[in-house]
Amino acid sequence: DTGVSQDPRHKITKRGQNVTFRCDPISEHNRLYWYRQTLGQGPEFLTYFQNEAQLEKSRLLSDRFSAERPKGSFSTLEIQRTEQGDSAMYLCASSFPFSTDTQYFGPGTRLTVL
Amino acid sequence: TQLLEQSPQFLSIQEGENLTVYCNSSSVFSSLQWYRQEPGEGPVLLVTVVTGGEVKKLKRLTFQFGDARKDSSLHITAAQPGDTGLYLCAGGGHKLSFGAGTTVTVRA
Repeated sequence: DTGVSQDPRHKITKRGQNVTFRCDPISEHNRLYWYRQTLGQGPEFLTYFQNEAQLEKSRLLSDRFSAERPKGSFSTLEIQRTEQGDSAMYLCASSFPFSTDTQYFGPGTRLTVL
Repeated sequence: TQLLEQSPQFLSIQEGENLTVYCNSSSVFSSLQWYRQEPGEGPVLLVTVVTGGEVKKLKRLTFQFGDARKDSSLHITAAQPGDTGLYLCAGGGHKLSFGAGTTVTVRA
C-alpha cells in the first residue's frame, strides 16, 4: 500500500487555460475527497465520491470545476478557464468504507495561475 | 459549517520544552482528527479521538478530547526539531472542517 498519490505535484499555468489533476486513492478505500488549501488556512472541502458516484459538492466548486471518478478508482479534478484566485494546493483524500471521519491525504498538487 | 478555532496561531519554542495546542468549537463533534502538515506536503494523520474525555498517547504526543466533544488539545513533551510543522485539527464526518492550524517551530 503506497498511500494516496497525486499527479502532478506542481502545475504552473496561464490565466484562462484548463488544467486537470489526478488522484489515486488507497486501493481498498471506496470514498475519495477533494479539498483546496490556500496559504495560512486549513483545507476546505470541495467534493466527495463514494465509488463512482459524486455525492456532495461544495458551493466553492464553481461551474468551472468538474470532478470525476469513472470507474470508482482514480479521480480527476478539472478546472476550466483558470483564474488567479484558483491558485492553491489541491488535496485529495480517501477513507475506508464506513469510516468517513478518518481520511488519509495525498501530497497535494500546487497550482499557480499566472 | 462547523467551525474549529485553533490557538495559538504560531508557537516557537526551544528544543526540550513542552507545548500545548488547542482546538475549540461551539459544536459537538462525533470525532476529531489531528494532522501534521509540512510545507508543500499534504496533511499526515496523527490520531482520531472519538469518545468524550478520551486521552490518546503517541510517543511524546498526548491528545485529549473534551468531555463535551467540543474541544481537543495536543500536548508535546520535550519537543524536538522534527516536531516542527503545521498542526491541524479537523472534524465533521465526510465533509471535514479544519481549523486554520497552529504553526509550531522547535529551535535546536
